[in-house]
Amino acid sequence: EAGVAQSPRYKIIEKRQSVAFWCNPISGHATLYWYQQILGQGPKLLIQFQNNGVVDDSQLPKDRFSAERLKGVDSTLKIQPAKLEDSAVYLCASSLSSFNEKLFFGSGTQLSVL
Amino acid sequence: SQQGEEDPQALSIQEGENATMNCSYKTSINNLQWYRQNSGRGLVHLILIRSNEREKHSGRLRVTLDTSKKSSSLLITASRAADTASYFCASLSGSARQLTFGSGTQLTVLP
Repeated sequence: EAGVAQSPRYKIIEKRQSVAFWCNPISGHATLYWYQQILGQGPKLLIQFQNNGVVDDSQLPKDRFSAERLKGVDSTLKIQPAKLEDSAVYLCASSLSSFNEKLFFGSGTQLSVL
Repeated sequence: SQQGEEDPQALSIQEGENATMNCSYKTSINNLQWYRQNSGRGLVHLILIRSNEREKHSGRLRVTLDTSKKSSSLLITASRAADTASYFCASLSGSARQLTFGSGTQLTVLP
């Protein structure tokens, strides 16, 4: 079974630039999550999709972050413009059910904002 | 905000010893999950314990849950160097079933 795919693996940008991350969840998984993990901390949920609808985006900084999940499969997360404090690992995860149990994570995209 | 806090923040043991990590949370939960994260990788789900369960086993893992104290512990028996990783608890709570991760315990198993 293929896992959650994410790209790119690393990204370095300057502040005020824009950046996009891509995620392909495990086939058949209806729920897709984007988490932000700052060094030394646990992951923090940014947005959760159920199929192509948003379930929870309460912690997404909507003035600069946006995400979409087209056709209920792949998803992209965009930051525009980036700030220094956005430096983190962005993790995508998926799960079979909508009950937020047993999430499968990708390896993440490490973002450095200079 | 992070619902759970792990203790200790870092733990270093010899191969073959047992490792115990603790997690405390703030609000009533539906379940509590433990995940492992190897350096530079994503998280891997280890075990889930529901609010009406007190203890659960999976291989060398033993998880306990004390809802009166709002705490859980993860025991890894007969540790191996390959167990070196960060371990996170994640509590599922509320009608919105929001999953919130703790700050993690960094476990180092010395060969």
